[in-house]
Amino acid sequence: AQSVSQHNHHVILSEAASLELGCNYSYGGTVNLFWYVQYPGQHLQLLLKYFSGDPLVKGIKGFEAEFIKSKFSFNLRKPSVQWSDTAEYFCAVNGNNRKLIWGLGTSLAVNP
Amino acid sequence: DGGITQSPKYLFRKEGQNVTLSCEQNLNHDAMYWYRQDPGQGLRLIYYSQIVNDFQKGDIAEGYSVSREKKESFPLTVTSAQKNPTAFYLCASRVDRGNSPLHFGNGTRLTVT
Repeated sequence: AQSVSQHNHHVILSEAASLELGCNYSYGGTVNLFWYVQYPGQHLQLLLKYFSGDPLVKGIKGFEAEFIKSKFSFNLRKPSVQWSDTAEYFCAVNGNNRKLIWGLGTSLAVNP
Repeated sequence: DGGITQSPKYLFRKEGQNVTLSCEQNLNHDAMYWYRQDPGQGLRLIYYSQIVNDFQKGDIAEGYSVSREKKESFPLTVTSAQKNPTAFYLCASRVDRGNSPLHFGNGTRLTVT
């Protein structure tokens, strides 16, 4: 069965620290990959997505993610986090059955 | 502005009562979804609908029911058969072409006592 694993459930960083959130999936075929973010009190919104082409994708607010097919990974990165990045981050994968599989989420707290 | 409206934001019910959560979208999206979000469990799919008058069960459909009589509306009923109904419920929609991303509403927090 398809699954998505987010390795870090809770991450605490200080402002200006670098961020990398892990996401691995289990699916052998063509995938579409997403990172969504949920800021406190707000709705889930798309951070970035990968469908094809350049495996390094840029999203909103300085986030980027790299698709490494050989590692079945789609890790999210930001070189310098801000207090406003405090949120919950979800990785999701869409296989060829078009069903979206979600990771359990990573809660990020950035201390000012 | 186009978007998804979920109402109410907070809902309280007594055990044994059915309750209906509203979801309306003006994005002209074909597909609509209901998810349940619990701490540490991510998002779990309850029901989804890809076209008017048609819907399919998701991973945790037991104790829930939906209808899709209009393209813009996809209400979710939490029935008394749902054993653990207290949760945060999210409605989403997307253009049902390819693998377009989901657009989410602000959610409804249901508390059943």
